[in-house]
Amino acid sequence: KQEVTQIPAALSVPEGENLVLNCSFTDSAIYNLQWFRQDPGKGLTSLLLIQSSQREQTSGRLNASLDKSSGRSTLYIAASQPGDSATYLCAPASGGSYIPTFGRGTSLIVHP
Amino acid sequence: EPEVTQTPSHQVTQMGQEVILRCVPISNHLYFYWYRQILGQKVEFLVSFYNNEISEKSEIFDDQFSVERPDGSNFTLKIRSTKLEDSAMYFCASSDMDISQETQYFGPGTRLLVL
Repeated sequence: KQEVTQIPAALSVPEGENLVLNCSFTDSAIYNLQWFRQDPGKGLTSLLLIQSSQREQTSGRLNASLDKSSGRSTLYIAASQPGDSATYLCAPASGGSYIPTFGRGTSLIVHP
Repeated sequence: EPEVTQTPSHQVTQMGQEVILRCVPISNHLYFYWYRQILGQKVEFLVSFYNNEISEKSEIFDDQFSVERPDGSNFTLKIRSTKLEDSAMYFCASSDMDISQETQYFGPGTRLLVL
């Protein structure tokens, strides 16, 4: 059974800092891995999807890397802004049905 | 931009009552999903639905749960006899391709409270 761990659980930083959010997973036989953002009381928004054959994906100030063999992914946020404040969820998809397994998330606060 | 919508946003019910949570997926999507998130816990997969049938379900999705696509637009989750532990946020999601290739789009959720 896939287990997903995200470190740190919470992070509070001043605006402008570059951030690294870590995700590890136990079953490296994944098809893809997604990073989601969840705002309080809201649904999930997909940020990046990395296929198992890829090493990284970039979207604006976000860059996600994947090391499938070691069961790790990293989300890098450049020049953080207060609007980046949210919970970030890592979700690798494994098994025959490609259903994602979610971590508990990293709760990020970026203060002005 | 098209989005997934869910109704109601909040529902309070008594233990043992039936509830139906409703979702309107993005119109051209073919794959539909329900997830739940108990307060303070991880998001958990419940069920996926494609071509008018369940394609995958988790251990959580027992006989008390059912899903239906009653018409061309709605996708519903029914809980027949609610239990206290069913209190959670329920998210609907949809995608236009298999999620090995394409991300899912999530609705804002329905917060269910069972008393």
